[in-house]
Amino acid sequence: AQSVTQLDSHVSVSEGTPVLLRCNYSSSYSPSLFWYVQHPNKGLQLLLKYTSAATLVKGINGFEAEFKKSETSFHLTKPSAHMSDAAEYFCVVSRYSGGGADGLTFGKGTHLIIQP
Amino acid sequence: ETGVTQTPRHLVMGMTNKKSLKCEQHLGHNAMYWYKQSAKKPLELMFVYSLEERVENNSVPSRFSPECPNSSHLFLHLHTLQPEDSALYLCASSQVFLSSNYGYTFGSGTRLTVV
Repeated sequence: AQSVTQLDSHVSVSEGTPVLLRCNYSSSYSPSLFWYVQHPNKGLQLLLKYTSAATLVKGINGFEAEFKKSETSFHLTKPSAHMSDAAEYFCVVSRYSGGGADGLTFGKGTHLIIQP
Repeated sequence: ETGVTQTPRHLVMGMTNKKSLKCEQHLGHNAMYWYKQSAKKPLELMFVYSLEERVENNSVPSRFSPECPNSSHLFLHLHTLQPEDSALYLCASSQVFLSSNYGYTFGSGTRLTVV
């Protein structure tokens, strides 16, 4: 079985300050891990993905995440928050890596609030 | 637009109504999915189609009936729903059948309210 835990349901930061959204996972297999963002009234957009290549993954809009196997973590970071980053963020783990997956397991989401 | 289009964007229906949600993609993807997003809960996978064949039915009640007439279109037929079925229904597609390496492309969803 696999699971995803997003450690914070809400994160509030000031514009221009760093962002850290935390995610821990458990998986019996070498996982593929993803971060998705959902803006209000929109679908989910893929930010970045880890699929057993480089452990530091760079995504769109200045976000990056580091896969740490020893800590079973895949935290999302951004050096400087922008007002447009306000959204819901989902950490996702696949059951398998490289195909034949049985679907994705989603975290409950972290609501990112950007203070002006 | 992401390449996956869902209609309608909003739907209000009574418990005795029959309605359908539509999803369309022209990305050349071979797999399509229905997810349910309820408040305070993780996304739930409902159905998976690969090359128009259903390959996953995640213990979804029979009042939800999917249909995939071709690789570009996916429907979710609804009948005799319950208020707890109110949620955002998301359609997604992927290039290869359930291969997470490519990521999924999501539509903007249909916000369903059952009254």
